Amino acid sequence: DQQVKQNSPSLSVQEGRISILNCDYTNSMFDYFLWYKKYPAEGPTFLISISSIKDKNEDGRFTVFLNKSAKHLSLHIVPSQPGDSAVYFCAASGRTGSYQLTFGKGTKLSVIP
Amino acid sequence: DTAVSQTPKYLVTQMGNDKSIKCEQNLGHDTMYWYKQDSKKFLKIMFSYNNKELIINETVPNRFSPKSPDKAHLNLHINSLELGDSAVYFCASSPGGQGTYQPQHFGDGTRLSIL
Repeated sequence: DQQVKQNSPSLSVQEGRISILNCDYTNSMFDYFLWYKKYPAEGPTFLISISSIKDKNEDGRFTVFLNKSAKHLSLHIVPSQPGDSAVYFCAASGRTGSYQLTFGKGTKLSVIP
Repeated sequence: DTAVSQTPKYLVTQMGNDKSIKCEQNLGHDTMYWYKQDSKKFLKIMFSYNNKELIINETVPNRFSPKSPDKAHLNLHINSLELGDSAVYFCASSPGGQGTYQPQHFGDGTRLSIL
């Protein structure tokens, strides 16, 4: 059973526009959420995180929004740049899972120049 | 300087063999992990380990065993390799103990192919 779901396998966005990547989770015990970015033949790189006590966290062009009641989070990238083209993984963690990360399947973002 | 390094990057071997993948981190982190990314692209935790505790994902066959000679290394040993073991294996590390929320830093993966 997928506890973290990324229902869009791919997303294409024009350079300069906003990219919105979505993630849903089912386990109500998750209380820490992360986004990772992955280029081909490389490992995932940490991008941004959010604790369940917040509903928004911003770092430069990247903003993560958390809607706990809907068990939904999203990553906004604005403005999108060609170098943002990668696979983005949503991950979640909770005390009952010994703080281990549960990952979604990833969304491949393509930013078109 | 590579923070989390894995060797080898590619590993091709026959079914039934025993193999090891090495992982080293130079970040001074206390906790290390092994993940498996299967053909469906899911990244699944296999083990997490610090000098006090090993946590094993219950779905991991006992043919897989982590071995840590010191805090900076967590190697993965696999006995009697099976076709289903073909995957990309990622090592990761994080600061602090397992009872904290910390982003994990990943290596570049080892692609294991079983013939």
